[in-house]
Amino acid sequence: SQELEQSPQSLIVQEGKNLTINCTSSKTLYGLYWYKQKYGEGLIFLMMLQKGGEEKSHEKITAKLDEKKQQSSLHITASQPSHAGIYLCGAQYSNSGYALNFGKGTSLLVTP
Amino acid sequence: DTAVSQTPKYLVTQMGNDKSIKCEQNLGHDTMYWYKQDSKKFLKIMFSYNNKELIINETVPNRFSPKSPDKAHLNLHINSLELGDSAVYFCASSPSEARSEAFFGQGTRLTVV
Repeated sequence: SQELEQSPQSLIVQEGKNLTINCTSSKTLYGLYWYKQKYGEGLIFLMMLQKGGEEKSHEKITAKLDEKKQQSSLHITASQPSHAGIYLCGAQYSNSGYALNFGKGTSLLVTP
Repeated sequence: DTAVSQTPKYLVTQMGNDKSIKCEQNLGHDTMYWYKQDSKKFLKIMFSYNNKELIINETVPNRFSPKSPDKAHLNLHINSLELGDSAVYFCASSPSEARSEAFFGQGTRLTVV
């Protein structure tokens, strides 16, 4: 069974609109990482969240981790075509010896 | 200067062949990984090395053998390639086991025909 669920699977929004992507873990997280993958390319690290209730922003992208450390949301304000790509959340469940477990990703398309 | 570089970017080969994918990182990181992304874009960890030592070996066929000659390199060798091995393979590195903000290579798209 998948420990990390992302929703929605895909999203098409009009340029300028806001959007939210969710990531839910079946277990308590040690850390939650957000990545963006442009089509046909590697992953770009966006943000890491570790503390319950933590919120971080980078340009127009904000990510939050809930108090229980089992759910994170990624919010994009005033979306632009450059935001298009696949957004993946990666879970770290321990502070040693474990790579990230990734969700299945959310494919985002921003239309003019 | 590419932080994590892997070669080749594309690899097309016949079933039964043996192939290798190379990965190098110039970030001075201690930990390196191989991930596999299938056709549904699902990214799954295969191997993790810390200072040249294997620390994670997920359930992958033993036809896949990682080799780390030094801490900056982690190569992936695949024997007797099968159709189901077709995927994009990503190499990544992170500062240490405890810090998982990994930097990813551009991926190697492997197609087995």
